[in-house]
Amino acid sequence: KNEVEQSPQNLTAQEGEFITINCSYSVGISALHWLQQHPGGGIVSLFMLSSGKKKHGRLIATINIQEKHSSLHITASHPRDSAVYICAVVGETSGSRLTFGEGTQLTVNP
Amino acid sequence: EAGVAQSPRYKIIEKRQSVAFWCNPISGHATLYWYQQILGQGPKLLIQFQNNGVVDDSQLPKDRFSAERLKGVDSTLKIQPAKLEDSAVYLCASSLQAGANYGYTFGSGTRLTVV
Repeated sequence: KNEVEQSPQNLTAQEGEFITINCSYSVGISALHWLQQHPGGGIVSLFMLSSGKKKHGRLIATINIQEKHSSLHITASHPRDSAVYICAVVGETSGSRLTFGEGTQLTVNP
Repeated sequence: EAGVAQSPRYKIIEKRQSVAFWCNPISGHATLYWYQQILGQGPKLLIQFQNNGVVDDSQLPKDRFSAERLKGVDSTLKIQPAKLEDSAVYLCASSLQAGANYGYTFGSGTRLTVV
């Protein structure tokens, strides 16, 4: 079993829909990252959080440390949001090494 | 602020050949990471540098992979000889310092195809 599990693996939505991607992890963590990866490989950091909730534009990330769970929400989704969204954690005993989930492929249709 | 620069963007080589990738991190970032991302999987850490020293290379296949960051700035990752299973995207990332409280900046990656 992977230390970081994401669901769903694939998600197709219509433009304007509210989207939720979930991440569960099995180890104690110091921080959790949400990342966005477009075709071609480049990764963009969206959020880094260790508690509570963060918001940036139409993106919201939440984390529940006790339940070892985080969610990424996209409000009013748009085709340009289509990408792979990756959850990654920094384990309490792993220095600053990121352990990645396998990603969620999001496709937003117009 | 310039991002993390990587080159080349794409490389196709035959198995048993050698290949090298280059990364220039964000100016002032002490920590540099090389990740390997096989198609359909999340990235896996190969090596972490703090300035010019190696912090973590536990998942680096040292029989064929090597990396250096001699002056504590840019870094080179080499594969010699390459195998078919080395086909992947090689991502470089940097952060101001090591530690959970520092964000990462990733480069665009080098897509390697071994035929």
